[in-house]
Amino acid sequence: NAGVTQTPKFQVLKTGQSMTLQCAQDMNHNSMYWYRQDPGMGLRLIYYSASEGTTDKGEVPNGYNVSRLNKREFSLRLESAAPSQTSVYFCASRSGSVLGNQPQHFGDGTRLSIL
Amino acid sequence: AQSVTQLGSHVSVSEGALVLLRCNYSSSVPPYLFWYVQYPNQGLQLLLKYTTGATLVKGINGFEAEFKKSETSFHLTKPSAHMSDAAEYFCAVSVGGQNFVFGPGTRLSVLP
Repeated sequence: NAGVTQTPKFQVLKTGQSMTLQCAQDMNHNSMYWYRQDPGMGLRLIYYSASEGTTDKGEVPNGYNVSRLNKREFSLRLESAAPSQTSVYFCASRSGSVLGNQPQHFGDGTRLSIL
Repeated sequence: AQSVTQLGSHVSVSEGALVLLRCNYSSSVPPYLFWYVQYPNQGLQLLLKYTTGATLVKGINGFEAEFKKSETSFHLTKPSAHMSDAAEYFCAVSVGGQNFVFGPGTRLSVLP
């Protein structure tokens, strides 16, 4: 009954370091998403993958890359971390109906600090 | 493009009082609407959703919301607040495909 699993839960990086955030879902969902959450700004979409083999930019993609490794896994990479990327990152998945009437399921987040 | 506004970034109620969290949306086509709750240091959990059919939607933990097309609103209510309801609440709208838009959130405090 795991749902969406994110690793790590916490991470501290120095400016310029690189890092990959991992996300896996066990619900056989087609669509997966990466969001960042900052105080007072709600959730902002970084990248999404509508299905295995496809990825698309969201609202705030600069400084990030993603890989849809297979149907289960969707990773987010910071190539050269900047203090502005200090945030809480959430992965979500959805069954992927083109109607948009299916809700997203979220992981517990990765809390990332860039010094 | 659709958008979501949530009136009041912080709402405080007394335990046992009515909870009302406001959500208004803009959309050029009929939307699908969702309310999520986020407890500290956790991800978002679905409270309820409106897709089609009955405009009054019941969710978990005694919450409900009513879709009012004429007012472009989807306000969340609970008749009697409990201490465990203290959390952040997000309204979200989808009009199809992969396009979900979240509101900025409302933090609910429940006072003893």
